[in-house]
Amino acid sequence: EDQVTQSPEALRLQEGESSSLNCSYTVSGLRGLFWYRQDPGKGPEFLFTLYSAGEEKEKERLKATLTKKESFLHITAPKPEDSATYLCAVQAVDTGFQKLVFGTGTRLLVSP
Amino acid sequence: DVKVTQSSRYLVKRTGEKVFLECVQDMDHENMFWYRQDPGLGLRLIYFSYDVKMKEKGDIPEGYSVSREKKERFSLILESASTNQTSMYLCAIGYEGSYEQYFGPGTRLTVT
Repeated sequence: EDQVTQSPEALRLQEGESSSLNCSYTVSGLRGLFWYRQDPGKGPEFLFTLYSAGEEKEKERLKATLTKKESFLHITAPKPEDSATYLCAVQAVDTGFQKLVFGTGTRLLVSP
Repeated sequence: DVKVTQSSRYLVKRTGEKVFLECVQDMDHENMFWYRQDPGLGLRLIYFSYDVKMKEKGDIPEGYSVSREKKERFSLILESASTNQTSMYLCAIGYEGSYEQYFGPGTRLTVT
């Protein structure tokens, strides 16, 4: 069974204090790994797709990386507006449709 | 930009009522999804549709049905609402040729 585990559950940072969020996954064959940002009471907002080990994607202060077992979302010099829940999801090659399996997320709070 | 709209942001219904949640997209995407999101459980797939009048069960279809009479509209139906269906409901669309999903704003449903 495909599984996604995110850690930590919650993370509190000071503004400017860089850190990383972890997404460990177990999947029969990885088609893609996806990162989303979710603000309270809103739908997830798509950030990145990673397809193969060694791939990296960047967007402003966020950088996502992928290995064969896990993905990291690195946050460099975060600002309070980066506070949100970050979700990771995987899609398996043998999925007949675009099914995503989600982790339970990391709640990030950045204090000024 | 993709636009996915959901009929209500907040909804309060009584146990036993029939509930309709609507999702509308503004593009010609074939794949549409309904998820529910609960604390500690993440997003779980209820149903998806890959074309008009076509539907497939997701991981937790019990107590739900769906309808897709037009390509742009995908409805989730709670035949007889129960308190354990209190949740955040999220609609998503999927692009053909890539694997990302894009989410609507969500409907927070409370069943009393």
